[in-house]
Amino acid sequence: EVQLVESGGGLVQPGGSLRLSCAASGFSFSSYWMSWVRQAPGKGLEWVASIREDGSDKYYVESVKGRFTISRDNAKNSLYLQMNSPRAEDTAVYYCARWYSDRSGYGDYWGQGTLVTVSS
Amino acid sequence: DVVVTQSPLSLPVTLGQSASISCRSSQSLVFSDGNTYLNWFQQRPGQSPRRLMYKVSNRDSGVPDRFSGSGSGTDFTLKISRVEAEDVGVYYCMQAAHWPPYTFGQGTKLEI
Repeated sequence: EVQLVESGGGLVQPGGSLRLSCAASGFSFSSYWMSWVRQAPGKGLEWVASIREDGSDKYYVESVKGRFTISRDNAKNSLYLQMNSPRAEDTAVYYCARWYSDRSGYGDYWGQGTLVTVSS
Repeated sequence: DVVVTQSPLSLPVTLGQSASISCRSSQSLVFSDGNTYLNWFQQRPGQSPRRLMYKVSNRDSGVPDRFSGSGSGTDFTLKISRVEAEDVGVYYCMQAAHWPPYTFGQGTKLEI
């Protein structure tokens, strides 16, 4: 059974830093692109970042470029999102998603999410 | 960026009746490999998103056959026949033909 379990969310001050983690199990983690997608309170879904299977390519939504870094450790079946200099508008539930393989397509499994609140 | 527009944003339905959600993109979602990358997701209240459909009309495992996807190019539809109480939630379409960024529609709230 595919499982994605996010952790690391919480209250962070503007300009601070936070690291989100996603523990993956039940599938060959190193065979899939992975992504972070967020949802601000009462709002819709917004793609944040994606990383290739081997970590060699990373893509970001414009609003987080230069502040957030996506990474992965295939030996630990884990995905990360380093959030530096967060802003109030980054307040959201952050979902880890199994993002792509040729066979499964895009976004077939999502975690339960972790809430990040940016406030002083 | 590709803009994805859903309508309606709110969809009241009667149990047992059908419902349709439209999704339109600002560019064709046909990728260079010939596939059309348009997904549909369901988000029930208090839950994470769940993928229902991929590449327009391919239903995910466990998704009832009451759900169907259709369309081409820039115009797509999710149809739910015989709506049940468990179908309540917000439905999103997402394009993956022109990225980054991947873009979602605003969401359609289906309520009984």
